[in-house]
Order: sequence, then C-alpha cells, then structure tokens
Amino acid sequence: GENVEQHPSTLSVQEGDSAVIKCTYSDSASNYFPWYKQELGKRPQLIIDIRSNVGEKKDQRIAVTLNKTAKHFSLHITETQPEDSAVYFCAAPKQAHKYIFGTGTRLKVLA
Amino acid sequence: NAGVMQNPRHLVRRRGQEARLRCSPMKGHSHVYWYRQLPEEGLKFMVYLQKENIIDESGMPKERFSAEFPKEGPSILRIQQVVRGDSAAYFCASSMDRNTEAFFGQGTRLTVV
Repeated sequence: GENVEQHPSTLSVQEGDSAVIKCTYSDSASNYFPWYKQELGKRPQLIIDIRSNVGEKKDQRIAVTLNKTAKHFSLHITETQPEDSAVYFCAAPKQAHKYIFGTGTRLKVLA
Repeated sequence: NAGVMQNPRHLVRRRGQEARLRCSPMKGHSHVYWYRQLPEEGLKFMVYLQKENIIDESGMPKERFSAEFPKEGPSILRIQQVVRGDSAAYFCASSMDRNTEAFFGQGTRLTVV
C-alpha cells in the first residue's frame, strides 16, 4: 500500500516540554524521510530529513529517529517554543520518487 | 536562487471556466510534483513530472485535470470546467533528483465561485 500513517493528529504541549510525532510507512524500499513544517497560510518547509543509512539525526532542538525494521520514524522537538506551533507532515517517498505525506500533526505550544 | 515560484498566488474562477496554475522549479531542478491541499487537511499527491515527461499521475482525477512540464518554461497544472469542489490550495514542489530534498512553492489558492 501507499499509506503513511502519522500520529497524533493534534498535540498540545506546555512551552519548554518535548513533542514527539510518529510516522509509519509501508514501502520497504523507501530510504529517505523528510519532515515538513507548515504554518497557517504558508508553504510546507523542510525542517529535517534522514536517510536510511543512519538511525538518528539531530539539528539543534529537532531530531529524527528511524527504525527501518519496524518501518517507522519519529520527529522529536525539545524545549518547545510558541513559534513551533504549526502543522507537521512526514513523508516517505514511494518507489524512490513519489512523496506520500502523512495526514499531519497540529502542534500547539502553550505559553 | 529564487526558490520555487508559483503563480498566480490567488485565482478566482467561475464554475465552468478553466484554471491554469504555473510552477517554475528551483534552478537546476528537473523534477516537479503537484499537490492539492483542502483547508485543514493534508497534502494529496497529484502528479510527478520530469522535463517533457509525466512520470506518475496516479493522484490526478481522470477528467478535467492535466499537467505538463515542457522543455522550456514552467510546469502547468490545468483544470478545465472547474467546479466548486476544485477550490483548494495547489502546491508545487521541485527537487534536483528523485529521492532528494523537495522544496515547495508558496502555492496557488484557487477559489471557484
């Protein structure tokens, strides 16, 4: 199948807490996993990505982990700030070319 | 590098008219993807093109919708005889190669009245 399942659909955290969003994919041939952030009325923007030859990648407060055996990958945001509030999408390219996006997670960081 | 450019940003069409959405990929990018996004929903894949070729159009409705990416000029998403249900944001993304980073344009918000 082509599904990329993303959970949770909504997530509220207190400022300073961590947020974790998980995605599960079905195509075992997928080997590139990007995460996008979309603020209201704006374009999706790439915030971090990971390739299948590594299990974890970190960029300041953002990290992504990948478990190829279980076919899932997760976005971790630490020390959340109000400006992190947005919708986050994972993607898993299928057949090495077609980006299939998850259904999105609406993150709200409460000040 | 100006990034992925889409125009127009907003487009209003009456039912039955045609809508043409344009996407100029980033310099050096030859792969273009089109997505549709309804309010409060996710990004639905429509079509993937390379220069002069449609690689995958499995997400495109069979009727009224077509896409092209000519040798010269932008990629065009064309919607004929628009209906109210076509109202959405249409995003284009481009990448240098398959399986590499894709960057999005600002989208075209189509409203059918």
